[in-house]
Amino acid sequence: EVQLLESGGGLAQPGGSLRLSCAASGFTLRMYAMSWVRQAPGKGLEWVSGISASGGTTDYADSVKGRFIISRDNSKNTLFLQINSLGVDDTAVYYCAKAISGDYLSAAFDLWGQGTTVTVSS
Amino acid sequence: DFQMTQSPSSLSASVGDRVTITCRASQSIRDYLNWYQQKPGKAPKLLIYAASSLQSGVPSRFSGSRSGTDFTLTINNLQPEDLATYYCQQSFSTPPTFGQGTKVEIK
Repeated sequence: EVQLLESGGGLAQPGGSLRLSCAASGFTLRMYAMSWVRQAPGKGLEWVSGISASGGTTDYADSVKGRFIISRDNSKNTLFLQINSLGVDDTAVYYCAKAISGDYLSAAFDLWGQGTTVTVSS
Repeated sequence: DFQMTQSPSSLSASVGDRVTITCRASQSIRDYLNWYQQKPGKAPKLLIYAASSLQSGVPSRFSGSRSGTDFTLTINNLQPEDLATYYCQQSFSTPPTFGQGTKVEIK
């Protein structure tokens, strides 16, 4: 079955860090650009970060630039998001999403994980 | 960044109705516009890509169109399972940006 499965979310204190993972199965991860998209409680969708198929190109939303790091291990079919210096505004469900084709960081996303929840609170 | 403005923010319609949701881009994005459906508590699902291409497995009652920088998602013969929030997203430029969403309720 083609799917994405996120993990690593949880409760963190302001200023803390978490590392999110996204395990891909049923397709060859190394062929596609990937992104993280988040959704704060009761809010809309916000693209957070993207990475090219090879991992050589990354980009970030201004709201997370300098605090989040996206990476991937194609040999393990896994995508990562290191989130540092957490603030309460980072509280959200974090989804990993696959680009529909090619190696474009900005693309339609045709496969989404179920999401992992990050809660930032003291 | 490219701003995407969706309207309405919510609507209520009856089973069998035709529903239209509009998304306006702040500047030209050509056909790089995608539509998603998000049911309560679930991840988004791609419905339409490249303004009018139906994603595999999506019912044909969903369709998309473009007129300049205005895009429309149409749901024909609304079904109870179409209860959801719908988002547009531009993929013309990084960062990809989403509209604020349209919540569709069933009367």
